[in-house]
Amino acid sequence: QQQVKQSPQSLIVQKGGISIINCAYENTAFDYFPWYQQFPGKGPALLIAIRPDVSEKKEGRFTISFNKSAKQFSLHIMDSQPGDSATYFCAARTIQGAQKLVFGQGTRLTINP
Amino acid sequence: DAGITQSPRHKVTETGTPVTLRCHQTENHRYMYWYRQDPGHGLRLIHYSYGVKDTDKGEVSDGYSVSRSKTEDFLLTLESATSSQTSVYFCAISPGQSYEQYFGPGTRLTVT
Repeated sequence: QQQVKQSPQSLIVQKGGISIINCAYENTAFDYFPWYQQFPGKGPALLIAIRPDVSEKKEGRFTISFNKSAKQFSLHIMDSQPGDSATYFCAARTIQGAQKLVFGQGTRLTINP
Repeated sequence: DAGITQSPRHKVTETGTPVTLRCHQTENHRYMYWYRQDPGHGLRLIHYSYGVKDTDKGEVSDGYSVSRSKTEDFLLTLESATSSQTSVYFCAISPGQSYEQYFGPGTRLTVT
């Protein structure tokens, strides 16, 4: 049972365009929503994260939009660059437990030059 | 990779053989995790540890065991490897008081 559903599985965007990756969750106990970026042959690394008490968080070209009522959140990458080509994972964490993260399926993003 | 090493980085083994993967950290973080990464499934938690000799099961723990005898080392053991355990395994650590988990470089395991 996938508690966090991520789409699309793959995405191709032209350089300078906006990349959008969406995630949806079911468990209302989730209280922390990070996005991880993973380059080939490397481990995932935290990119940006949001708590459910805010609707948007922006860090440079990366923005998380959060819709608590719809139980959805998304990652927007503005002015996408070839160096942004990577696999992106959304995740969610429950209030209870040892900071256990539940991950989405991942999105392979390719930015064409 | 935040002071985390995993060994071996690559391993090919035969069905039915035991396999142990090692995660070593130099950050003195309390929490350590083992995940497996498979296409279409993202990362799934196998086991985690919240202190020396304190471990618990994750989402996909069947066929795996773990041990943590020192703060810096977290071992993942496949008692009798099966082809379904072919995957990339990631270790992660967390200080426990912040929300971020730091991931190691991964171990690619192939069971033939």
